[in-house]
Amino acid sequence: SYVLTQPPSVSVAPGQTARITCGGNNIGSKSVHWYQQKPGQAPVLVVYDDSDRPSGIPERFSGSNSGNTATLTISRVEAGDEADYYCQVWDSSSDPVVFGGGTKLTVL
Amino acid sequence: QVQLQESGPGLVKPSQTLSLTCTVSGGSISSGGYYWSWIRQHPGKGLEWIGYIYYSGSTYYNPSLKSRVTISVDTSKNQFSLKLSSVTAADTAVYYCASKTYYYDSSGPTALFQHWGQGTLVTVSS
Repeated sequence: SYVLTQPPSVSVAPGQTARITCGGNNIGSKSVHWYQQKPGQAPVLVVYDDSDRPSGIPERFSGSNSGNTATLTISRVEAGDEADYYCQVWDSSSDPVVFGGGTKLTVL
Repeated sequence: QVQLQESGPGLVKPSQTLSLTCTVSGGSISSGGYYWSWIRQHPGKGLEWIGYIYYSGSTYYNPSLKSRVTISVDTSKNQFSLKLSSVTAADTAVYYCASKTYYYDSSGPTALFQHWGQGTLVTVSS
């Protein structure tokens, strides 16, 4: 089955840029979606189709995808961005819905 | 705006069947466009997809859970449901219902979860 690998944790100071990676075999050929989950809350879609933002999501959230790595970038990080972030793809050749293991973003 | 709300027992005994219902508001479950899904999250862990159903009744389950999972839909009530049989402590988790959108983009077929319920904790314990 297809596997997505995320770092368990990323730390960044307020105002700096956070980059959260999602690795997968030739992931650049797939569309990657990113979810933000704050403690005790349901996940919220923050980036879809590699780099698009749903309405209401700040422009500070952006994404890229190439080769074997997709990246969620959060610019000018705020304390309110502290959360778990999950990448997700659709893989029709195996279990179709695949989530990464999640990355805890800590704002120092 | 589609909204989803899970309901059901928060405590289930081992070997019994876990049953949850998701009520959809803000849109008709029969309108098409969405696959109605269940996702769970073990305490302190990541997201695990359980399965989904289309309003027509077509289902697809996670192979790792397929033998124990049944998802059904009641269009008259705008609800869909999850049954997970023979539960053990390993099934203790927060269970979310969500709407899955399936479409084609430049990379081919893809799907994402646009709307989520708030989640409900189900504990399996005697």
